[in-house]
Amino acid sequence: AQSVTQLDSQVPVFEEAPVELRCNYSSSVSVYLFWYVQYPNQGLQLLLKYLSGSTLVKGINGFEAEFNKSQTSFHLRKPSVHISDTAEYFCAVSPRSNDYKLSFGAGTTVTVRA
Amino acid sequence: GAVVSQHPSWVICKSGTSVKIECRSLDFQATTMFWYRQFPKQSLMLMATSNEGSKATYEQGVEKDKFLINHASLTLSTLTVTSAHPEDSSFYICSARSWTSGEETQYFGPGTRLLVL
Repeated sequence: AQSVTQLDSQVPVFEEAPVELRCNYSSSVSVYLFWYVQYPNQGLQLLLKYLSGSTLVKGINGFEAEFNKSQTSFHLRKPSVHISDTAEYFCAVSPRSNDYKLSFGAGTTVTVRA
Repeated sequence: GAVVSQHPSWVICKSGTSVKIECRSLDFQATTMFWYRQFPKQSLMLMATSNEGSKATYEQGVEKDKFLINHASLTLSTLTVTSAHPEDSSFYICSARSWTSGEETQYFGPGTRLLVL
């Protein structure tokens, strides 16, 4: 079984400031890692994913995340946020198997203020 | 990217009635689709895995007779909430599994908000 912990439930940040959203996971098997964004009243949109290779993953909208196997973390960062980045962000993992079931963290609400 | 649609986007129904929600993969075929439920300010909880041409696999604690899933084609899965009650009110989200260039990705629909009065 897998579990995901998002360490911050809410992150207020000023426009053009950097932001980091923390995600830790636990799993008895190797996993794939994902970050999704959910805008109000919408479904989830994939920001980025780590499957293998370079531990630094770049995604859409200027986001990037770094996989740290020793710390079982997959923190999401953006160097300069915009008002439009206000949303809910979910970290998720799935086992490296055929069932591909996603386990989600509780989510982090990012509120960007001018 | 791949597009997944859901219909309806929101529905209000009376207690005791059944509601059907459709999930469609618009530009790709999906042998596997997933149904999630999301309560306000909470994360997504996987309800079931929908496999084309076979029975759905339900997660522990999800009543299969309450939440009927049919995956009749490679682009359509339906979730029917039978005899809905107010506690079934929630945001239901589907996703479809896609293979592209040897990589697997889940694409999510926009969700269906259900309110049972």
